[in-house]
Amino acid sequence: DTGVSQDPRHKITKRGQNVTFRCDPISEHNRLYWYRQTLGQGPEFLTYFQNEAQLEKSRLLSDRFSAERPKGSFSTLEIQRTEQGDSAMYLCASSEREAPQETQYFGPGTRLLVL
Amino acid sequence: LAKTTQPISMDSYEGQEVNITCSHNNIATNDYITWYQQFPSQGPRFIIQGYKTKVTNEVASLFIPADRKSSTLSLPRVSLSDTAVYYCLVGAMDSSYKLIFGSGTRLLVRP
Repeated sequence: DTGVSQDPRHKITKRGQNVTFRCDPISEHNRLYWYRQTLGQGPEFLTYFQNEAQLEKSRLLSDRFSAERPKGSFSTLEIQRTEQGDSAMYLCASSEREAPQETQYFGPGTRLLVL
Repeated sequence: LAKTTQPISMDSYEGQEVNITCSHNNIATNDYITWYQQFPSQGPRFIIQGYKTKVTNEVASLFIPADRKSSTLSLPRVSLSDTAVYYCLVGAMDSSYKLIFGSGTRLLVRP
């Protein structure tokens, strides 16, 4: 399977703990995105990488959140000192620019529950 | 990106054609219209994209009138497995690459 993969699929943690999620994009896709989705809502953009460069961060991404894509391949999203409000599905997507409009391919997501 | 309005939910029966309309009154000249489908506990999946008139693929058809202020996603002969949330997105990816999702339309297909 050559789709976007995410690990873990589920994570339960206690408030105040740190968590890290991993995303492996479709190979050779140079763009990688993180989104967050809460129950009943559509995904919300968090951040975006082109290769290893993080080009934009949403205001939703507080100082407790950090994302990296060190070699322009996989990416990690870390949440420090988790809060109950961080409970959500975290989605990763990747794309390869296609004229005239690109398509983003999403992974299955990591569902986070903060107790 | 242009704001979109679509019904919160729709019900249908197996074998029927389902049409979901999306309003985007403020669509810009270089904006495209894209539809994504999302099943529970999965990421969204691209369905179809268009700029004007009609686009058809193996999954759906997309109808866009001349003024482009709305669009209709048509799913022919739905099955139970088409039960999902459908999102309409409008934007130009040359500058604004991030997708902005609304709340989508929850389609329930009944036997």
